[in-house]
Amino acid sequence: IAGITQAPTSQILAAGRRMTLRCTQDMRHNAMYWYRQDLGLGLRLIHYSNTAGTTGKGEVPDGYSVSRANTDDFPLTLASAVPSQTSVYFCASSDLSGGGYEQFFGPGTRLTVL
Amino acid sequence: AQSVSQHNHHVILSEAASLELGCNYSYGGTVNLFWYVQYPGQHLQLLLKYFSGDPLVKGIKGFEAEFIKSKFSFNLRKPSVQWSDTAEYFCAVRGQAGTALIFGKGTTLSVSS
Repeated sequence: IAGITQAPTSQILAAGRRMTLRCTQDMRHNAMYWYRQDLGLGLRLIHYSNTAGTTGKGEVPDGYSVSRANTDDFPLTLASAVPSQTSVYFCASSDLSGGGYEQFFGPGTRLTVL
Repeated sequence: AQSVSQHNHHVILSEAASLELGCNYSYGGTVNLFWYVQYPGQHLQLLLKYFSGDPLVKGIKGFEAEFIKSKFSFNLRKPSVQWSDTAEYFCAVRGQAGTALIFGKGTTLSVSS
């Protein structure tokens, strides 16, 4: 089934540890995004990539890094996790070539940093 | 900077009641507008979108939204809600400056049967 997969589904992490959240899409979309969802704050953009090999910062990039080595994968790394990074993380993609800009979302990763 | 404001944080309705969720945005140029829905424990799904043309947009599950350019608004409506509409609803906007969407903070809709 075409779509976006994210791993892990959930994770409990000790503060200071490094963690990579994985995101893979099979729709050949050129753009991918990472959001965090927090109660009362909605979705906030962390990083984005409009095409393989390029990335950009969103609204809340501090403490996170991304890479886009190919079209399908867009991992998000927390170099040294802190409790304020406890959140639900959603990966999304869109087909910019079609001009639609509609974003398709993955199932999310629930991360708890203790 | 662009922003999206959703007026209602939590709306509680009985089944068969009519629904209107407000959404205003702050970008003055050409915009693309979206409403997404997130059912409990699930990811976001697109309800409807507006790019151009008829300002009254119809989406899935009986939802519709009206784009009023003069009011910078894109309110979501449904004439008769069902218990299964219980979810969180997000309005989002994309201005021409970028490709990423800016989301509102969301409105939680609770429908009692």
